[in-house]
Amino acid sequence: NAGVMQNPRHLVRRRGQEARLRCSPMKGHSHVYWYRQLPEEGLKFMVYLQKENIIDESGMPKERFSAEFPKEGPSILRIQQVVRGDSAAYFCASSLLGASTDTQYFGPGTRLTVL
Amino acid sequence: AQSVTQLGSHVSVSEGALVLLRCNYSSSVPPYLFWYVQYPNQGLQLLLKYTSAATLVKGINGFEAEFKKSETSFHLTKPSAHMSDAAEYFCAVTSGGSQGNLIFGKGTKLSVKP
Repeated sequence: NAGVMQNPRHLVRRRGQEARLRCSPMKGHSHVYWYRQLPEEGLKFMVYLQKENIIDESGMPKERFSAEFPKEGPSILRIQQVVRGDSAAYFCASSLLGASTDTQYFGPGTRLTVL
Repeated sequence: AQSVTQLGSHVSVSEGALVLLRCNYSSSVPPYLFWYVQYPNQGLQLLLKYTSAATLVKGINGFEAEFKKSETSFHLTKPSAHMSDAAEYFCAVTSGGSQGNLIFGKGTKLSVKP
């Protein structure tokens, strides 16, 4: 499967726990974007990363959220001390060049439910 | 700042009828525009994109969209709806500058009646 992989597909956490969402980009892609989709809303940009670098985190909440894209391995979106309002679908996308004309390929998403 | 407005959160058409999904944008720089489709519990799939070449863009599954600068619109059309077109459709614009961060509209759910 050469597409964008995300795991887990579904994640249930209790309030106060940590959530770790993983994203493996398409082969050859070194640009990764994370988006959040709340019910009845479109996707909202969170963060843009290249290998080992955060390029733009203007859409990330200031507290509890962090992201990384190490030299080896998948990109990780980490949410500490989750609250009910974090329940959403989190999508990862990757692109080849990171340019504004470049197509972003989306993964199937991780649906986070906070109890 | 860039933004996208999709008129109509729900659109219903009969099978075989014309599909028209509306998208208007606001952009301080020449925009790059995208239409994505999302089937239930799946990720987004690119239908087509406008990157300042031809104003009429043809995409997959028989969809096309026309960039109209004077109307700041990028409406999505398909001449004849099929049951398999039932999904949610998102219009998006890049945030400006050299980066590809996408700004999405709220989406339009398309229903197709037999």
